[in-house]
Amino acid sequence: GQQLNQSPQSMFIQEGEDVSMNCTSSSIFNTWLWYKQDPGEGPVLLIALYKAGELTSNGRLTAQFGITRKDSFLNISASIPSDVGIYFCAGQNSGGSNYKLTFGKGTLLTVNP
Amino acid sequence: GAVVSQHPSRVICKSGTSVKIECRSLDFQATTMFWYRQFPKKSLMLMATSNEGSKATYEQGVEKDKFLINHASLTLSTLTVTSAHPEDSSFYICSAGAGTTISETQYFGPGTRLLVL
Repeated sequence: GQQLNQSPQSMFIQEGEDVSMNCTSSSIFNTWLWYKQDPGEGPVLLIALYKAGELTSNGRLTAQFGITRKDSFLNISASIPSDVGIYFCAGQNSGGSNYKLTFGKGTLLTVNP
Repeated sequence: GAVVSQHPSRVICKSGTSVKIECRSLDFQATTMFWYRQFPKKSLMLMATSNEGSKATYEQGVEKDKFLINHASLTLSTLTVTSAHPEDSSFYICSAGAGTTISETQYFGPGTRLLVL
């Protein structure tokens, strides 16, 4: 089955620094999604990418859908303490009734004020 | 928009009892809902895909008689953990699909923490 490799596993940064995390896949996805999960909560959708090569921003967040459709990265600029949480990438292949998500293992982000 | 709720948020039960968890899409209709399980510091593992009006599709290794799923309407799916045991203790999260012509973005509920004593 499809597998996602997400890195880094964890990051400790100072407030104001930029952050980058990425996901690679053993096979192609039609859609890449990035979610953030706070402790004890469900994941919240940050950015959705639908086209290879697409670069999309959401405030201080920027994500790109790799040209090969097997990778994606997420950048967070000028980090703030509330950016703390676990970030998950997810790949999705649409078509028919199959919209299942395959999740990466997550990147735990800690921001020191 | 695209709000998904879950009830209860936390539940503690005795071993051998059954527990029902509800997942509702509050402001959209969801043809498809998904149930996930998450262990501490781990990623989300898909348990089953629930389609309104039909039987759920379970992932490999998930016991369908153990985890009963009912998708009675376009806004409600329920997961019942039958004869719960301590190893069933986990964080259960549902998501609801908001379909488009390109893809079906999933919006997640806040999760239900189950503790089986």
